[in-house]
Amino acid sequence: GAGVSQTPSNKVTEKGKYVELRCDPISGHTALYWYRQSLGQGPEFLIYFQGTGAADDSGLPNDRFFAVRPEGSVSTLKIQRTERGDSAVYLCASSPEPPRRTGELFFGEGSRLTVL
Amino acid sequence: RKEVEQDPGPFNVPEGATVAFNCTYSNSASQSFFWYRQDCRKEPKLLMSVYSSGNEDGRFTAQLNRASQYISLLIRDSKLSDSATYLCVVTSHTDKLIFGTGTRLQVFP
Repeated sequence: GAGVSQTPSNKVTEKGKYVELRCDPISGHTALYWYRQSLGQGPEFLIYFQGTGAADDSGLPNDRFFAVRPEGSVSTLKIQRTERGDSAVYLCASSPEPPRRTGELFFGEGSRLTVL
Repeated sequence: RKEVEQDPGPFNVPEGATVAFNCTYSNSASQSFFWYRQDCRKEPKLLMSVYSSGNEDGRFTAQLNRASQYISLLIRDSKLSDSATYLCVVTSHTDKLIFGTGTRLQVFP
């Protein structure tokens, strides 16, 4: 399909393990966002890329979280030493331009992370 | 205090009713405003932008009050298919889109 693709769709891991979540944005979209969403809450901003660089990473909760987008397309969110509180749905979204004007982000279906 | 606040609801309304949601934001420098819709266990999707002069899209009307820092969404003639969570979204000059917690709407027959 032509939408935002996220893998894995579900990930169950044990406390303390390392996890990588992958996002494949819509082809040609320069802006890429990561959010996480817990039950009953809205999406919580983590980081935003414009091209290869992180334009705003102020939402990353601590240094266990890191994200890369080395070639300006696919992005990987990396979580070290996972904790039970990291359990959430991690959403990736992309946009063909900075969305300040249109506000339109195209979201993937998310990666559901469960830390036991 | 959260940057974007919404009443989580749920709002339970009969078909045909008019329902309104409000959202407040804390950063007076916020530049752009939007409403998103999220169906249960689905990803959020843009519903409409919110302009200073107010704007309408069919049964949906959005308004912005910069002085009071709040945004509203009015839904007229509610349909069963309007049942969803409505998310208020605010942007800053850095293009960071900040989502509220969402307001859940349930329309019943």
